[in-house]
Amino acid sequence: DAGVIQSPRHEVTEMGQEVTLRCKPISGHDYLFWYRQTMMRGLELLIYFNNNVPIDDSGMPEDRFSAKMPNASFSTLKIQPSEPRDSAVYFCASRLRWGGEAFFGQGTRLTVV
Amino acid sequence: TQLLEQSPQFLSIQEGENLTVYCNSSSVFSSLQWYRQEPGEGPVLLVTVVTGGEVKKLKRLTFQFGDARKDSSLHITAAQPGDTGLYLCAGARQGAQKLVFGQGTRLTINP
Repeated sequence: DAGVIQSPRHEVTEMGQEVTLRCKPISGHDYLFWYRQTMMRGLELLIYFNNNVPIDDSGMPEDRFSAKMPNASFSTLKIQPSEPRDSAVYFCASRLRWGGEAFFGQGTRLTVV
Repeated sequence: TQLLEQSPQFLSIQEGENLTVYCNSSSVFSSLQWYRQEPGEGPVLLVTVVTGGEVKKLKRLTFQFGDARKDSSLHITAAQPGDTGLYLCAGARQGAQKLVFGQGTRLTINP
């Protein structure tokens, strides 16, 4: 397996634009997590899914953020409209079972200007 | 407020020295994991500890889970430049499914 695949690796967009980040988890993994990493706040959990169902989205900063997992092999994180304070590295991770290792993608570095 | 507090946040030492990084919480965790992250990459798992008082060794790295399962430590013996990176602890509280991370310890080993 190629691991968790995220796209794009880098995204630069203007304030107010819609941004969509994509993630392909490892095949067979039941859990998918979206994290945001900044120097100030570290690695923050935004939302996680179990068997494609959103379980906890309490970490989503505000209504501008939304996440979907239409099937077991694909998830998106959308920001609309984007703001400069959304600039961060966004990671997707998947996990086979509860308590197991979380495998991370290489992240998407988002810059909103 | 961070659920998992790591200390120190930054550490720069010379090659060959020993060091300890701490991960503390007021909550009990069903398990705790340590990850290492290099620039431009996602975190990679080093170890998982699940039993209070458990000690695991990975070459020159020693991981310990506190007896009460509220804290953990990572000790590196004879640090090498290749140990440089961001070390993160992560855990899920008992009865919860969220995997949350500490802010990390940024370690630099100087040749």
